Amino acid sequence: EAGVAQSPRYKIIEKRQSVAFWCNPISGHATLYWYQQILGQGPKLLIQFQNNGVVDDSQLPKDRFSAERLKGVDSTLKIQPAKLEDSAVYLCASSPPGLYNSPLHFGNGTRLTVT
Amino acid sequence: GQQVMQIPQYQHVQEGEDFTTYCNSSTTLSNIQWYKQRPGGHPVFLIQLVKSGEVKKQKRLTFQFGEAKKNSSLHITATQTTDVGTYFCAGRETSYDKVIFGPGTSLSVIP
Repeated sequence: EAGVAQSPRYKIIEKRQSVAFWCNPISGHATLYWYQQILGQGPKLLIQFQNNGVVDDSQLPKDRFSAERLKGVDSTLKIQPAKLEDSAVYLCASSPPGLYNSPLHFGNGTRLTVT
Repeated sequence: GQQVMQIPQYQHVQEGEDFTTYCNSSTTLSNIQWYKQRPGGHPVFLIQLVKSGEVKKQKRLTFQFGEAKKNSSLHITATQTTDVGTYFCAGRETSYDKVIFGPGTSLSVIP
């Protein structure tokens, strides 16, 4: 099966600019996650979707970050305006539907550098 | 909120030596998953433990889930250079589907 697709692979922007990341999960996977991974740290959950509804976004900085999952498939994560501390790898993951204990399948991530 | 901790943060071993990383949660978990991330790569699922006291083996890797379902460990016997990477535990709370990752243990293997 095809894996989780993410683009772009790398992005360099200046602070206060905006940026968007795209994720296409594995076909049929109902749950989609966005994680932020700062260098040397574990992935931090930003938002979790079940189909096109938000399950958890408690750690999403809503003053600058937004995410949507239209039609319950693809998802976009946007940052506006970016700050230096947003430099990180943004990982998208998906998991199959209806399986409470299902593993996460990660994409290759988008490495964001904010200068 | 739920916190997942791991020790040690780094471990350097000679090839052939054993390695263990420990994971502790501040709350009881419904299950725990282990992932491996190679340098420059993304986390890859290794295994999931669900039952209290469960032990699972994958070749040289042994995974344990504590009796209280709040801690877990990963033990690698006779490390190889292919074991290099960061090992993360990730837990789900009993009542939630949110998956919280630990900070990881970075393993270096000296040939």
